[in-house]
Amino acid sequence: EVQLVQSGAEVKKPGESLKISCKGSGYSFTSYWIGWVRQMPGKGLEWMGIIYPGDSDTRYSPSFQGQVTISADKSISTAYLQWSSLKASDTAMYYCARWGADGFDYWGQGTLVTVSS
Amino acid sequence: SYELTQPLSVSVALGQTARITCGGNNIGSKNVHWYQQKPGQAPVLVIYRDSNRPSGIPERFSGSNSGNTATLTISRAQAGDEADYYCQVWDSSTPLVFGTGTKVTVL
Repeated sequence: EVQLVQSGAEVKKPGESLKISCKGSGYSFTSYWIGWVRQMPGKGLEWMGIIYPGDSDTRYSPSFQGQVTISADKSISTAYLQWSSLKASDTAMYYCARWGADGFDYWGQGTLVTVSS
Repeated sequence: SYELTQPLSVSVALGQTARITCGGNNIGSKNVHWYQQKPGQAPVLVIYRDSNRPSGIPERFSGSNSGNTATLTISRAQAGDEADYYCQVWDSSTPLVFGTGTKVTVL
């Protein structure tokens, strides 16, 4: 069974750094792209970026380029999304999802990030 | 950058047919995927590559894509179909884009 399991909710202060994770299982982790999607409170889905764990090829949405870093460790089948300096506007739910020719076919349960002083 | 436009909301009577549109420049030349998101849950893929249903998705869900509009159709709407629905394409300029989202209400 394909599963993507994300790390737990985080509460951070502005200016702090953060790295959240997404662990894949039940399939060949290096053979599919993993994408990250933001959903701000009461808003729609926004694609942030995508990584191919097989060779770490990474693409970013222009809206998020330079704002976050996406990485992966194929040895432990885990993808990451990180911030070096959080802002209150980063408060959102973040989803990882497996991407292929058939779209985002499997999703993680989401990680809620709250940034507040 | 490429943009996808959806109606903010669609209402449908119980047992009737709901149609959700997704507008984009020459979207008919792209593969469109559709996602359903219920409150407090992660999105779920309901249609991939314009008109294909993943296993476990009821036949009541169907899709089409032509010209500048893709459409998700929900036949015989049920109360459990109430959710937000998003279209999504891969475009060389962006490259991944989600639509603005449509809230479906079953009356």
